[in-house]
Amino acid sequence: DQQVKQNSPSLSVQEGRISILNCDYTNSMFDYFLWYKKYPAEGPTFLISISSIKDKNEDGRFTVFLNKSAKHLSLHIVPSQPGDSAVYFCAASVRLYDYKLSFGAGTTVTVRA
Amino acid sequence: NAGVTQTPKFQVLKTGQSMTLQCAQDMNHEYMSWYRQDPGMGLRLIHYSVGAGITDQGEVPNGYNVSRSTTEDFPLRLLSAAPSQTSVYFCASSYTSGRTDTQYFGPGTRLTVL
Repeated sequence: DQQVKQNSPSLSVQEGRISILNCDYTNSMFDYFLWYKKYPAEGPTFLISISSIKDKNEDGRFTVFLNKSAKHLSLHIVPSQPGDSAVYFCAASVRLYDYKLSFGAGTTVTVRA
Repeated sequence: NAGVTQTPKFQVLKTGQSMTLQCAQDMNHEYMSWYRQDPGMGLRLIHYSVGAGITDQGEVPNGYNVSRSTTEDFPLRLLSAAPSQTSVYFCASSYTSGRTDTQYFGPGTRLTVL
């Protein structure tokens, strides 16, 4: 049973607009959350993370929001750029130094010019 | 600096054949792991290693063997391939003293079992 779920397989957004990707989890033991970005024929690369002690983390155009009571997190990309077109994976672990990650199925983002 | 390398990039096997997927890293990372990615599912952990000589099972270990004789290499062995093992396989590595966001992934091996 998947403990991390990304219910939107795809998202299309116009260049310059905001992309919002959502992720839900079921395991209340998860304490650390990450987003990875993946281009075709490449491995995932780390994008941004958030600890459960925070509700927001920002890095340039990327912001991750965490709602622990709802077991929900989201990734906002503002403004969206063509190079952001990729698959985005949400992942979680039970603690910061736990290397065993549980991944969502991914959301494919397409940024239209 | 090559990072994490995986060979081969593509492989087609017949049911029952064996093969080894290679993974190497040149960053002196203690931790290495193997994931598989299937359509509609996230990456799932197969096996991992926290250092040379130490390996452990992940979420989906059945049908796979691993060993870690050196820090650099972490091969994944399929002893008798089955169609259910058709997938894309990713190897990853990181420092054990670091954070999980510093896992580096290889480019993947696409395996088809007929």
